[in-house]
Amino acid sequence: DQQVKQNSPSLSVQEGRISILNCDYTNSMFDYFLWYKKYPAEGPTFLISISSIKDKNEDGRFTVFLNKSAKHLSLHIVPSQPGDSAVYFCAASGTASKLTFGTGTRLQVTL
Amino acid sequence: EAGVTQSPTHLIKTRGQQATLRCSPISGHTSVYWYQQALGLGLQFLLWYDEGEERNRGNFPPRFSGRQFPNYSSELNVNALELEDSALYLCASSERGYGYTFGSGTRLTVV
Repeated sequence: DQQVKQNSPSLSVQEGRISILNCDYTNSMFDYFLWYKKYPAEGPTFLISISSIKDKNEDGRFTVFLNKSAKHLSLHIVPSQPGDSAVYFCAASGTASKLTFGTGTRLQVTL
Repeated sequence: EAGVTQSPTHLIKTRGQQATLRCSPISGHTSVYWYQQALGLGLQFLLWYDEGEERNRGNFPPRFSGRQFPNYSSELNVNALELEDSALYLCASSERGYGYTFGSGTRLTVV
């Protein structure tokens, strides 16, 4: 049972445009959500997180939106840069529990 | 501050052998998580250790096991290696379930 889903395996965006990566979850006990960026053969790097008590969190070019009623979160990257090309994983956890990851979305930012 | 360190970086084993992977968490982190990323797949949760005890395990056979030592470092052991065990194994540490930081991983190749 895939509790965290990223339905788009890949996304291509032009440099300077907005990248929107989506994530859906099914477990209503999740209360903390994170986005990680991953390059091949490296560990995931934390990008941004959001607690279930908020609906938006912003950090520079990265903004995460949480819609609890829809059990949906999204990561917006504005403006997209070539260095943003990587696989992005969303992850979710309940209180002091393990992280459950989505299957990832490969973002390609083109010139 | 030192991050999460994993050793070895690469490991090549023959089918049927045993592999031991090691992880040192960030100082002060008591929880260690192990994840497997097989080629083309997302991050699959393997094991979670906290305060020396196994708190949760993912949907993996019993030949995947581990332990956490009093200094909170951890070992992942994979017995009777199979070809499909070839993957990147990632360790993460956290403090009370938040602030996950990943290591760079161990690339296990079974031939």
